[in-house]
Amino acid sequence: KNEVEQSPQNLTAQEGEFITINCSYSVGISALHWLQQHPGGGIVSLFMLSSGKKKHGRLIATINIQEKHSSLHITASHPRDSAVYICAVRSYNTDKLIFGTGTRLQVFP
Amino acid sequence: EAEVAQSPRYKITEKSQAVAFWCDPISGHATLYWYRQILGQGPELLVQFQDESVVDDSQLPKDRFSAERLKGVDSTLKIQPAELGDSAMYLCASSLVRTSGATDTQYFGPGTRLTVL
Repeated sequence: KNEVEQSPQNLTAQEGEFITINCSYSVGISALHWLQQHPGGGIVSLFMLSSGKKKHGRLIATINIQEKHSSLHITASHPRDSAVYICAVRSYNTDKLIFGTGTRLQVFP
Repeated sequence: EAEVAQSPRYKITEKSQAVAFWCDPISGHATLYWYRQILGQGPELLVQFQDESVVDDSQLPKDRFSAERLKGVDSTLKIQPAELGDSAMYLCASSLVRTSGATDTQYFGPGTRLTVL
């Protein structure tokens, strides 16, 4: 079993829909990251969380440390949001980033 | 806005050949990471530098892979000889400073997509 699990693996949506991507982890962490990877390969950091909730534009990230779970929400989705969204956690014990396999999102007009 | 630079963006090579990738981190970033990302998977850390020193290369296949950051600025990752299973995206990332108990954001380069034939 992977230490970081994401769901769903693939997600399609119509423009304007509210989207949720989930991340569960099984290790103790010092921080959780949400990353966005476009088809060209480059990765952009969206959020770094250690507790609570963060919001940036149409993106909202939440984390529940007790339940070892985080969600990334996209409100009013747009075709330009189409990308792979990756959850990564920094292990408290090893200090290494452990990556999920990503959620591929496609938003259609 | 400062970015992590990588070259080449794409590389096609035949197995048993040598390949090299270059990364120039954001100016002033002390920590540099090389990751390998196989299609459909998340990135996997190959090597981490703090300035010019290797701090973690536990997942680097040292029989064929080598990495250096001689002056603590830019870095080169080499594979010799390349194997079919090395086909992947090779990502470089950098971060400013990481002190004990703290974390900071990693900034990723565009990656080098390697295809081994």
